[in-house]
Amino acid sequence: AQRVTQPEKLLSVFKGAPVELKCNYSYSGSPELFWYVQYSRQRLQLLLRHISRESIKGFTADLNKGETSFHLKKPFAQEEDSAMYYCALAMGQGGKLIFGQGTELSVKP
Amino acid sequence: DAGVIQSPRHEVTEMGQEVTLRCKPISGHDYLFWYRQTMMRGLELLIYFNNNVPIDDSGMPEDRFSAKMPNASFSTLKIQPSEPRDSAVYFCASSLRGLGEQYFGPGTRLTVT
Repeated sequence: AQRVTQPEKLLSVFKGAPVELKCNYSYSGSPELFWYVQYSRQRLQLLLRHISRESIKGFTADLNKGETSFHLKKPFAQEEDSAMYYCALAMGQGGKLIFGQGTELSVKP
Repeated sequence: DAGVIQSPRHEVTEMGQEVTLRCKPISGHDYLFWYRQTMMRGLELLIYFNNNVPIDDSGMPEDRFSAKMPNASFSTLKIQPSEPRDSAVYFCASSLRGLGEQYFGPGTRLTVT
């Protein structure tokens, strides 16, 4: 069955520390993966997608098909990175998304 | 463009009442999605439309839930009768050509007492 797993509900780090938000997926087809972010009192919005292979706000994510993972990383966390982060898997035509449970990132000063 | 618009932003109703949530997608987008977010189950896809036609409603929890899209600029999600376990935040999202990136509305927080 298709599934996205984010094992950490809450991740708390200090400003300047490295951050890694974990995401594992289960999908028999060719995966298309995304990270969405929801800042306090804002809409859920796309942060990055694996096919673009770009860095957004200092975040990167590499698709590892062998480990079926798509972890989100940032070398130096900032307080403004505090938010809910959701990993999502697109399935088939139409871009139907399956979301993980989300990880709340808290960056302390 | 104001983005995806949802109304109302908050809805409090009593068990047994009918609830209608509304969504206006981004102009030109041809896919529309309805999601429900709860602490227990996270963000779940309920139903999605392509060119106003329902494509997949496998996430709709039961017959009390129904969704329509009478035209390209408007969709409704109706719950009749509502129950306390329907309390959640309901999101609408739209996308262009179903290319994965979805634009979300601000959500409707529904409380059923």
